[in-house]
Amino acid sequence: DIQMTQSPSVLSASVGDRVTLNCKASQNINKYLNWYQQKLGEAPKLLIYNTNNLQTGIPSRFSGSGSGTDYTLTISSLQPEDVATYFCFQHNSWPTFGAGTKLELK
Amino acid sequence: EVQLVESGGGLVQPGGSLKLSCVASGFTFRDYWMNWVRQAPGKTMEWIGDIKPDGSNTNYAPSVKNRFTISRDNAKSILYLQMSNMRSDYTATYYCVRGTIAAGKPSFDYWGQGVMVTVSS
Repeated sequence: DIQMTQSPSVLSASVGDRVTLNCKASQNINKYLNWYQQKLGEAPKLLIYNTNNLQTGIPSRFSGSGSGTDYTLTISSLQPEDVATYFCFQHNSWPTFGAGTKLELK
Repeated sequence: EVQLVESGGGLVQPGGSLKLSCVASGFTFRDYWMNWVRQAPGKTMEWIGDIKPDGSNTNYAPSVKNRFTISRDNAKSILYLQMSNMRSDYTATYYCVRGTIAAGKPSFDYWGQGVMVTVSS
C-alpha cells in the first residue's frame, strides 16, 4: 500500500497567515490526491480533489498543488473557522490516507 | 444538501456482531458507489469496503474480509455494514462515504459524521 505522510502533525498560526500543509506519498500517485477538512465532531469535508481542483462551495483561500509524491494544501489567509484537522487521501491505487495535520490558532 | 447519517454504534463484546446503518439524503442514492471508512483511536483512516450502486458487487479490505458485509437498500436509501466475529482492534469510528469518480478513478466526496464502535468485554 502507498503510505501517506503529512507534516507537520500540528501547526499553530495566526489569523491572516499564509499556511502550508504537506503530504508526501511513498510512491508516485499521479496527482490523485484529495484534501479533507475535519472539524471536531463534524463530518470530514472535501476541499480539494485531484491535487488542485476546488470543491464546489469551498472558499478560494484554499488551494492545492503538487505532483509525483509531494503535495501541498495552502490557505492564503487563515480564518478562525479554519481551525480543524486536515488530511490527505490518495486514490491512485488502493485508497490510503494521511494521519492529518491539526491546525490551531496561535 | 447531501447528508449521510450513521447509526447503530455502541459497545459490543469480542466475537459479537453489530450492524451499522447509514441513511442517505439529498442525492439519488441508487446512482452512487458507497463506502465505509473507519478510524481507530490514534490511527489513520482506513478504507474497509465499498458496494456498487445496484448492490451487485462489493469489495473489502483484507483486514475485514469474511467478517464484514456491506449491503444497501436503494428503495430506502440506506447503506449497511454488518460486522461479525468482532475483535478489539475493530474499535473505531465508522464513516459512511459517498463514492465519486475524479479524473477516471474512484474517489470519495461526502462523508457522514461517523459512529463509534467499541469492542470490549
